[in-house]
Amino acid sequence: DIQMTQSPSSVSASVGDRVTITCQASQGISSWLAWYQQKPGKAPKLLIYAASSLQSGVPSRFSGSGSGTDFTLTISSLQPEDFATYYCQQANSFPLTFGGGTKVEIK
Amino acid sequence: EVQLVESGGGLVQPGRSLRLSCAASGFTFDDYAMHWVRQAPGKGLEWVSGISWNSGSTGYADSVKGRFTISRDNAKNSLYLQMNSLRAEDTALYYCAKQAGAAPNWFDPWGQGTLVTVSS
Repeated sequence: DIQMTQSPSSVSASVGDRVTITCQASQGISSWLAWYQQKPGKAPKLLIYAASSLQSGVPSRFSGSGSGTDFTLTISSLQPEDFATYYCQQANSFPLTFGGGTKVEIK
Repeated sequence: EVQLVESGGGLVQPGRSLRLSCAASGFTFDDYAMHWVRQAPGKGLEWVSGISWNSGSTGYADSVKGRFTISRDNAKNSLYLQMNSLRAEDTALYYCAKQAGAAPNWFDPWGQGTLVTVSS
């Protein structure tokens, strides 16, 4: 199975900050990576797919990069509605697997 | 508007069975793969199972393989998860999710979930 390791597990940031979250796969997954945002009590929402493609309706301050084993989600200027937990997910092979999550908290 | 509505959750004793359902609307159901993803209380996301548009291909997490069975009825726009031999560690909110776009293994959107509690 492919293991997905996210870091950090939590980050404290202020509105307007640039935030970067990393995700590492235990083996190469090409660009078969997605990022999701989950707010408390809500279902997750797809932000980025194919490592760097922005899902329709997602603000352009979100961006993704990487391929192979190392990936990054960047929020260029953190907004109040961005405080949430973020998960990466590999879509390369079954079983599909998620990272452990990164909680973005208010500083 | 795409809607996914899960049902069938509840309190069940260890070793017993439960069948979850997901009613889909707002899209051509038989064009898309579908998935179940769960989240234990206070924990992260865990993919449980997925099924192709025509039921020709299925996949399972190691933790549920041999105990859970995914199926779909395209005539009824419905997805199912038959869960047997339930364990305490199966306690979670179970989400139904649609294939996102052209790739079968990303999820968008998700339903609101149905809670399964396994306890004596």
